[in-house]
Amino acid sequence: DSGVTQTPKHLITATGQRVTLRCSPRSGDLSVYWYQQSLDQGLQFLIQYYNGEERAKGNILERFSAQQFPDLHSELNLSSLELGDSALYFCASSVTQPTTIEYAFGSGTRLTVV
Amino acid sequence: LAKTTQPISMDSYEGQEVNITCSHNNIATNDYITWYQQFPSQGPRFIIQGYKTKVTNEVASLFIPADRKSSTLSLPRVSLSDTAVYYCLVGSSIYNQGGKLIFGQGTELSVKP
Repeated sequence: DSGVTQTPKHLITATGQRVTLRCSPRSGDLSVYWYQQSLDQGLQFLIQYYNGEERAKGNILERFSAQQFPDLHSELNLSSLELGDSALYFCASSVTQPTTIEYAFGSGTRLTVV
Repeated sequence: LAKTTQPISMDSYEGQEVNITCSHNNIATNDYITWYQQFPSQGPRFIIQGYKTKVTNEVASLFIPADRKSSTLSLPRVSLSDTAVYYCLVGSSIYNQGGKLIFGQGTELSVKP
């Protein structure tokens, strides 16, 4: 058990819909990262939050947004869903040491858009 | 962030030692080398991390030469359950606020009986 909790585990929705994925980081971690993994793209970094503030952006579509709340949990919102958005979405949190980083990944949310 | 290059796939047999090499020619002074393991439909799992020379834990060893332009993950006596994708990553934290890790394609290790 990594200590990172993601809900729901599975999500099936129709094209054009909007969904929210939730992540609770490991206790004490301030940074939350979202990744998308599809068969043809591998693990793609989407966005990072640190203590409630956005810190880094990757290949995140404009239809996607995220936020980190005061209790440090994070939500990834996906809107106007397309078939190509079907993927595994992972959340990770990190131990912030001065010079090293170790990520703990959740078990992911499998999104299927039909 | 330093780019990494590693073999796409490797095959091995149970009980053998497996060495997966990763190239990272543009590694920065502050960068650490980290390896993750991912089973199908699961999140990546941290295996080992190092800065230079050799690091060993209960799961694997990591060998890093003096120039740090490459690293080798060594898995002793692999079993069928070690069949997974192994990612080599290079990065560092930024002002204690964490640093994003960029995953490459990884090495798909297949262990056969």
